Amino acid sequence: EDQVTQSPEALRLQEGESSSLNCSYTVSGLRGLFWYRQDPGKGPEFLFTLYSAGEEKEKERLKATLTKKESFLHITAPKPEDSATYLCAVGYSGTYKYIFGTGTRLKVLA
Amino acid sequence: EAQVTQNPRYLITVTGKKLTVTCSQNMNHEYMSWYRQDPGLGLRQIYYSMNVEVTDKGDVPEGYKVSRKEKRNFPLILESPSPNQTSLYFCASSSGIGYTFGSGTRLTVV
Repeated sequence: EDQVTQSPEALRLQEGESSSLNCSYTVSGLRGLFWYRQDPGKGPEFLFTLYSAGEEKEKERLKATLTKKESFLHITAPKPEDSATYLCAVGYSGTYKYIFGTGTRLKVLA
Repeated sequence: EAQVTQNPRYLITVTGKKLTVTCSQNMNHEYMSWYRQDPGLGLRQIYYSMNVEVTDKGDVPEGYKVSRKEKRNFPLILESPSPNQTSLYFCASSSGIGYTFGSGTRLTVV
């Protein structure tokens, strides 16, 4: 069965304490892996798309990487404003069908 | 401003009373999609559309209908809502990379 699993479910960091979030997937025919950020009461906000193993993307304190079975979202020296739920999703080749993981709730303490 | 607009933001209705949630995007995106978000289950895709008059089922299409008669609009129709359709609904559109999400519609069916 195709699925996307994110870990940990929740993470508390001190400001400046770097860490990584994990997204593992089992999908036949991957079109792309997507990372989103969601703030409470709002719709998800697109961060990155990764298409092939070995690819990396960066944006400010965030860096996403992709292997054949998982993706990591590395957060370097996080700030309180990075607190949010981070979602990953996989898209199927040839369609716009998506599966989302259940997310990692990140809390960065000042 | 580039955006996806959903209406209404909040809706309380009774079992069996047909309703429509509207969605409109001003970015000329080809792809549009509807999701529902439930605690512990994450975001699940209901339907998606790859172009005008082209729609397909996501993971949880039962009890929902969609239509794509114009590129900018993608309404979600609940012909006979039931309490298990109480959820937070998001519409999203994409040019082919990541999705831009609307602000959400919180639906309660009593």
